[in-house]
Amino acid sequence: EDQVTQSPEALRLQEGESSSLNCSYTVSGLRGLFWYRQDPGKGPEFLFTLYSAGEEKEKERLKATLTKKESFLHITAPKPEDSATYLCAVLFNYGQNFVFGPGTRLSVLP
Amino acid sequence: GAGVSQSPSNKVTEKGKDVELRCDPISGHTALYWYRQRLGQGLEFLIYFQGNSAPDKSGLPSDRFSAERTGESVSTLTIQRTQQEDSAVYLCASSLAGAGADTQYFGPGTRLTVL
Repeated sequence: EDQVTQSPEALRLQEGESSSLNCSYTVSGLRGLFWYRQDPGKGPEFLFTLYSAGEEKEKERLKATLTKKESFLHITAPKPEDSATYLCAVLFNYGQNFVFGPGTRLSVLP
Repeated sequence: GAGVSQSPSNKVTEKGKDVELRCDPISGHTALYWYRQRLGQGLEFLIYFQGNSAPDKSGLPSDRFSAERTGESVSTLTIQRTQQEDSAVYLCASSLAGAGADTQYFGPGTRLTVL
């Protein structure tokens, strides 16, 4: 069974302390990998889509990268407003279902 | 509306009662997804609609769960004889194209509590 895992489960950073979140998936043919941000009590908000190994996308303090087995979400000089749960989701070559990871809860302290 | 809307935002019900959750997708979006998110967990796929094709119901956890969609508009998720383990946030998402790596836009969710 194809699975998506994320690490760490939770991460606490000081404001300005850069770090990376990981999303790993078992190989069964990747069609796309998606990153979302979810604030408490809200639905996920789309951040990035990555389609092939080596691809990178950037948005403000966030940069997403993709390899054949995993994706990283790099957060540079985070601010408290970056605190949220970050979810990744994978769309595999078969079917049309997105498989979501459990998420990483990020807290950025001022 | 500008985004996906869901109603009600919160629903408290008693065990054994039926509930109906509603999703209004973004206008023009042909694909619609329902997910369940238990407290502190990731999203669990329930059902997927694409245009007038037969829905993909492979994620529905039991026959107490059903969903309908009228054309490319509103969808309702019905849970019959609710159980306490049905307590979760139910999220709806829509996208322009289903069969492909397209972006899903999520609604705010309906928080269901079964007492």
